[in-house]
Amino acid sequence: AQSVTQLDSQVPVFEEAPVELRCNYSSSVSVYLFWYVQYPNQGLQLLLKYLSGSTLVESINGFEAEFNKSQTSFHLRKPSVHISDTAEYFCAGGTQGGSEKLVFGKGTKLTVNP
Amino acid sequence: NAGVMQNPRHLVRRRGQEARLRCSPMKGHSHVYWYRQLPEEGLKFMVYLQKENIIDESGMPKERFSAEFPKEGPSILRIQQVVRGDSAAYFCASSPLEGAIGYTFGSGTRLTVV
Repeated sequence: AQSVTQLDSQVPVFEEAPVELRCNYSSSVSVYLFWYVQYPNQGLQLLLKYLSGSTLVESINGFEAEFNKSQTSFHLRKPSVHISDTAEYFCAGGTQGGSEKLVFGKGTKLTVNP
Repeated sequence: NAGVMQNPRHLVRRRGQEARLRCSPMKGHSHVYWYRQLPEEGLKFMVYLQKENIIDESGMPKERFSAEFPKEGPSILRIQQVVRGDSAAYFCASSPLEGAIGYTFGSGTRLTVV
């Protein structure tokens, strides 16, 4: 079955600390992988995506994710978080074949405390 | 260039009523995807439409739910005889081409069934 697993439902951290949000995908999910961020009562915003090429992808606000085929992982990291990073983060994978709909993980709520 | 517009943002319906959710894709986008986010869950694919065609409705409940994307006007997700379990956030995404690479999500419609 196609699945994306986010291992942590909640991650509390202090401001300026590093953070890693974990994501694993099943081998039946295609190698199109995405991280989305959702602020309270808002829609999803694309944070970064891996399509091909370099396994390390970066966003404009300091997040990065590394595609690891052998471990079927696509973990999201930031070396120093801000209060404004508090949000819910969703990992998603494109399905192979068909209409390439997204399969989402259940989300990780990141709370950055002062 | 406006983004993906969804309305209403919030919708309250009594059990047994009908709910109509609208999604206007970005200019130039002819592919529309609908997703549902249940409380404490990730988004789940419902249906993929192109103008006047349903391409993939594998995620739609078999009864009470329907979707359309007419030649003119927004895409409509219709839920007949709503029940409490339909309470969720419904998001649409539009894309200029098939697949998740080009997705832009709307801000969603939050349906509450009382």
